[in-house]
Amino acid sequence: GENVEQHPSTLSVQEGDSAVIKCTYSDSASNYFPWYKQELGKRPQLIIDIRSNVGEKKDQRIAVTLNKTAKHFSLHITETQPEDSAVYFCAASIGSNYQLIWGAGTKLIIKP
Amino acid sequence: GAVVSQHPSRVICKSGTSVKIECRSLDFQATTMFWYRQFPKQSLMLMATSNEGSKATYEQGVEKDKFLINHASLTLSTLTVTSAHPEDSSFYICSASSGYNNEQFFGPGTRLTVL
Repeated sequence: GENVEQHPSTLSVQEGDSAVIKCTYSDSASNYFPWYKQELGKRPQLIIDIRSNVGEKKDQRIAVTLNKTAKHFSLHITETQPEDSAVYFCAASIGSNYQLIWGAGTKLIIKP
Repeated sequence: GAVVSQHPSRVICKSGTSVKIECRSLDFQATTMFWYRQFPKQSLMLMATSNEGSKATYEQGVEKDKFLINHASLTLSTLTVTSAHPEDSSFYICSASSGYNNEQFFGPGTRLTVL
């Protein structure tokens, strides 16, 4: 079945710098790739997503890139701010029931 | 739009009791609902997928007789943890999908503590 690997598990960056989190997936049939931000004790919140017919998508300071050939996708956060500190999860969707296969998560720490 | 509520937000119970968690889509019809469990510092683990009016599909290793799921309407799914034990203590989160655009909308989660 589908497997999603996410790296790094922890990422510490200086405020104002960029952060990049990478994920790879195993099933070439996956066609939907969301990124979620989860703060401690709260629900995951969708921050950006991309579909397999697009190579890049941007929303203000957040961007996602997708390489279907290599089967990997990345989250880019520019001009990081303290409120960006959270755990970020990537996921891939396959199947008619839209199940999400989740990455293990990346704890992003923004240093002031 | 796309609001999902979950109740209760927190429950503490004695070992051996059953706990029911409700998940509601407030402003859309959820053809599919998902139940996840999340242990501290870990990712979300899908427990089961439920479609309105049919039996839930459980993931491997999840006991269907212990985690009873009912999806009686397009806006409500319930998860009942039967005969709860301390190892069932976890953060349970539901999500709902309208079947459009793949997107899942998450409830706020239920923190279950079994003493």
